[in-house]
Amino acid sequence: AQSVTQPDIHITVSEGASLELRCNYSYGATPYLFWYVQSPGQGLQLLLKYFSGDTLVQGIKGFEAEFKRSQSSFNLRKPSVHWSDAAEYFCALNNNAGNMLTFGGGTRLMVKP
Amino acid sequence: DAGVIQSPRHEVTEMGQEVTLRCKPISGHDYLFWYRQTMMRGLELLIYFNNNVPIDDSGMPEDRFSAKMPNASFSTLKIQPSEPRDSAVYFCASSSRRGVNTEAFFGQGTRLTVV
Repeated sequence: AQSVTQPDIHITVSEGASLELRCNYSYGATPYLFWYVQSPGQGLQLLLKYFSGDTLVQGIKGFEAEFKRSQSSFNLRKPSVHWSDAAEYFCALNNNAGNMLTFGGGTRLMVKP
Repeated sequence: DAGVIQSPRHEVTEMGQEVTLRCKPISGHDYLFWYRQTMMRGLELLIYFNNNVPIDDSGMPEDRFSAKMPNASFSTLKIQPSEPRDSAVYFCASSSRRGVNTEAFFGQGTRLTVV
């Protein structure tokens, strides 16, 4: 069975500080991995995705993520956080068999001024 | 394209009433998903369709829940009778298997409150 774990339920960072959100997955083959962001009262917006190739992927809004097979991780990073980045972030895995996503529990990011 | 369109955005109903949530996927997408989001359980996949055919409904919580996709541009999720524990945000998403673009696009969600 596949699963996605986001160990941090809440994270608070100061504006301008760097950010890393953790994501670990469990899957027997190479997964398709995604990071989505959800602002309050909104749907989920795709930040970036990893299918194959370069393990460091760039996304929108200055985010990037690195796929590390040896650690079964796909951590999301941003060098300098903006107040508008406050939201909930979801890591997800697609096993490409049924094209369905398995989501982690989410990490709520708060940004201090 | 306008994206995935869900209606209504908000629904408040009394316990025991029938509730129908609607979704219009992105044109040309052949997968459609219904998710439920709650504080306690996070994002759960309820059911998904491929080419209008239900493929996996193992996430549907009870027989009170049913979903249909009569054509490629419309799907419904029905709860009958509704209960307070059904209160949640319900998301519809669609995706395409063509090429390698398997990302799912989400609607804005329907916030359901059952009182």
